[in-house]
Amino acid sequence: GQQVMQIPQYQHVQEGEDFTTYCNSSTTLSNIQWYKQRPGGHPVFLIQLVKSGEVKKQKRLTFQFGEAKKNSSLHITATQTTDVGTYFCAAGGGTSYGKLTFGQGTILTVHP
Amino acid sequence: NAGVTQTPKFQVLKTGQSMTLQCAQDMNHEYMSWYRQDPGMGLRLIHYSVGAGITDQGEVPNGYNVSRSTTEDFPLRLLSAAPSQTSVYFCASRQGFRPRAPLHFGNGTRLTVT
Repeated sequence: GQQVMQIPQYQHVQEGEDFTTYCNSSTTLSNIQWYKQRPGGHPVFLIQLVKSGEVKKQKRLTFQFGEAKKNSSLHITATQTTDVGTYFCAAGGGTSYGKLTFGQGTILTVHP
Repeated sequence: NAGVTQTPKFQVLKTGQSMTLQCAQDMNHEYMSWYRQDPGMGLRLIHYSVGAGITDQGEVPNGYNVSRSTTEDFPLRLLSAAPSQTSVYFCASRQGFRPRAPLHFGNGTRLTVT
């Protein structure tokens, strides 16, 4: 089945530093979604990327979809303590109806 | 608007016991699914359903059964609990005829099997 590798597994930063998490697939993806899970909470949808080379921004968060639609990244500028949590990418393969494959997640810790 | 509701929030089982995790959604979503979350493993799909009466297996279906008799409910049954099923379980739903629609997750059920 489809596999999505997400790195790093953990990231510790000082408040104000930047943070990036990456997702990579060996197959071409139809779309990729990003979710955030606060500690003790449930995943919450952030954004979806569909087009090759697409870049979307949400305030301090920048999401990119690779030109070959095999990788994606989430970059947070000037992290804040409210950014703590686990960030997941979820890839759609296009052929398996509704089956999103999640990456392993990156756990972000922000030290004040 | 309650969204996706899961019960119970916590459960402790002994090996060999059976139980049902409940999931209900009030958004009239055709698609519903169950994931388990384990450290370092991300979210893995157990079973999913694209509508009432239709279910299919995900990547880790062994030891679990599902049924979908109504649009609203999608219970997950553990037939004979094993310690390897200790995990956090999430139910998620989305609009069924939009494969790219975002998933809406419930608050999760934390299950411990001793």
